[in-house]
Amino acid sequence: QQQVKQSPQSLIVQKGGISIINCAYENTAFDYFPWYQQFPGKGPALLIAIRPDVSEKKEGRFTISFNKSAKQFSLHIMDSQPGDSATYFCAAGSGSRLTFGEGTQLTVNP
Amino acid sequence: DGGITQSPKYLFRKEGQNVTLSCEQNLNHDAMYWYRQDPGQGLRLIYYSQIVNDFQKGDIAEGYSVSREKKESFPLTVTSAQKNPTAFYLCASSIDGGTGYGYTFGSGTRLTVV
Repeated sequence: QQQVKQSPQSLIVQKGGISIINCAYENTAFDYFPWYQQFPGKGPALLIAIRPDVSEKKEGRFTISFNKSAKQFSLHIMDSQPGDSATYFCAAGSGSRLTFGEGTQLTVNP
Repeated sequence: DGGITQSPKYLFRKEGQNVTLSCEQNLNHDAMYWYRQDPGQGLRLIYYSQIVNDFQKGDIAEGYSVSREKKESFPLTVTSAQKNPTAFYLCASSIDGGTGYGYTFGSGTRLTVV
């Protein structure tokens, strides 16, 4: 079974700090790496995504860093805000389906 | 507004009963998916469909069944054969079944077996 490993399971950050969530994958056929944000009782929403031909993608306070040789990618949230408190999922995909990581529960303290 | 509608939001089932979760989309997406979410286990794929009248098993299909008679609809039946059905169920869709555009998720159905 294709796997995506995500860490940490939970993360507590102070307002204004940097939140970093890491993921590692095994299958080199993966060609699409999105991050999803989920608030309690809601479905996940696409936050940002990257393809393996670039090493970094930035959208506002959110940045994906991608290391193809290490088969790792990470989400950086700059200037973290209490409103960013949510569960974050990384995923990796090829063909018709995505494989998700286990999720990281982020808490940003005011 | 376009989106995915899952109903009901909360569902209670007695042991031994089958129950059907509804998923409807008006995004004109070809592919639809069902995921199960349990604490600490992320999202696990139950079934997916890339075209009407066709669907494939995901990683945890045992005890579940689906149908895809219309492009807009992809209902999931949780049968009595599912050993541990209490979970949060998420339906998703994508434009063409590929992963280039990501998934759109519904708001989920929380199923509790009583």
